[in-house]
Amino acid sequence: SQKIEQNSEALNIQEGKTATLTCNYTNYSPAYLQWYRQDPGRGPVFLLLIRENEKEKRKERLKVTFDTTLKQSLFHITASQPADSATYLCALGAYNQGGKLIFGQGTELSVKP
Amino acid sequence: ETGVTQTPRHLVMGMTNKKSLKCEQHLGHNAMYWYKQSAKKPLELMFVYNFKEQTENNSVPSRFSPECPNSSHLFLHLHTLQPEDSALYLCASSQEGRGEETQYFGPGTRLLVL
Repeated sequence: SQKIEQNSEALNIQEGKTATLTCNYTNYSPAYLQWYRQDPGRGPVFLLLIRENEKEKRKERLKVTFDTTLKQSLFHITASQPADSATYLCALGAYNQGGKLIFGQGTELSVKP
Repeated sequence: ETGVTQTPRHLVMGMTNKKSLKCEQHLGHNAMYWYKQSAKKPLELMFVYNFKEQTENNSVPSRFSPECPNSSHLFLHLHTLQPEDSALYLCASSQEGRGEETQYFGPGTRLLVL
């Protein structure tokens, strides 16, 4: 069955450093991958989308890579700030799935001042 | 705000109660979703509606009954729930058709079944 694994442990980093979160998947060939941010007590909020034919996407301090050979996506936050502390979810989708996404369990990021 | 509202935000119910969760989207989307989120687990897709028609029922127990009267409103009717049904229930919407649908989530209903 399809499986998505994100960093199982919470990630604690110092302000100003780069946070790197991983998303690995098996038994699936996604056409695209999305990253969401979720704050406590709130629903996930979309951040970035990357397609299978794209290696890298950037948005401000965020960078996402997608390696379909390794079946992995990396999500980077550069110059991290305490306000970046949240849980980050990756989600996989395919064009024949009617908008259905498969989510990972999320990685909790804590940025200390 | 994401344009998706959910009520109530918190709900405590006994196993014999009947309650309903409500979701409304103000984005003009044509697809709506119910998810269950338990601690440290991935979001579990429960139901999908496209243009008011149910297109996915992810083997959800019959004690959860969805209703989609129009493309802006989605309900989840609950009856005779079990304690293991306690979780955060999230509603989302998207615009089907472009092939890379971003989902917009509501804030969720935190449900506790006693």
